[in-house]
Amino acid sequence: SYELTQPPSVSVSPGQTARITCSADALSKQFVYWYQQKPGQAPVLVMYKDSERPSGIPGRFSGSSSGTTATLTISGVQAEDEAAYYCQSGGSSGSYVFGTGTKVTVV
Amino acid sequence: EVHLVESGGGLVKPGGSLRLSCAASEFTFSSYMMNWVRQAPGKGLEWISSISSSGTHIFYADSVRGRFTISRDNAKNSLLLQMNNLRAEDTAVYYCAREGEPVWGWCMDHWGQGTLVTVSS
Repeated sequence: SYELTQPPSVSVSPGQTARITCSADALSKQFVYWYQQKPGQAPVLVMYKDSERPSGIPGRFSGSSSGTTATLTISGVQAEDEAAYYCQSGGSSGSYVFGTGTKVTVV
Repeated sequence: EVHLVESGGGLVKPGGSLRLSCAASEFTFSSYMMNWVRQAPGKGLEWISSISSSGTHIFYADSVRGRFTISRDNAKNSLLLQMNNLRAEDTAVYYCAREGEPVWGWCMDHWGQGTLVTVSS
């Protein structure tokens, strides 16, 4: 299986834009999904198939993918967006692969 | 609203066994693939097992293959994880998660709140 690499942390001021990357050679052929996880809570799906938002996810969340890197962008960051974010893609033989996770801090 | 509730976690000694359950409600359980994902304290998410809607197709991560067994009871809307020969590194919060809608692709769209498994002597 392969690894999905994310930066450990991203710091952003309220109202600014946060960009979280997820990289792996396999991503050029796979969709990427993103989850938000706040402390003590279960993950929540915030993006599917690279750039589609589930209902209920604010419009400030957007996604993109190019080549071997996918990006989750949070525009106009709010304090409530402080959380860990994980990318995910499909692995081999029915498996899932999660990224290493990025802690977004709103400072 | 989709509801998933895990139970069965607790403290167990190395080499011991534990059986986790996930009670599902408010959706047609028998139509969805289900998954177990765990998260060690302070660490990231790790997928460990999936089972197809009928139970025919089962997948495991290398880290648990041969020790864990996933199963489901569609009549009872229940997902199970039998964990044997537990190790300290199996200590984690265990989540059950539903496969996303088919058009969404390979993802998990609903998660339970998790149950903590601690393996320690």
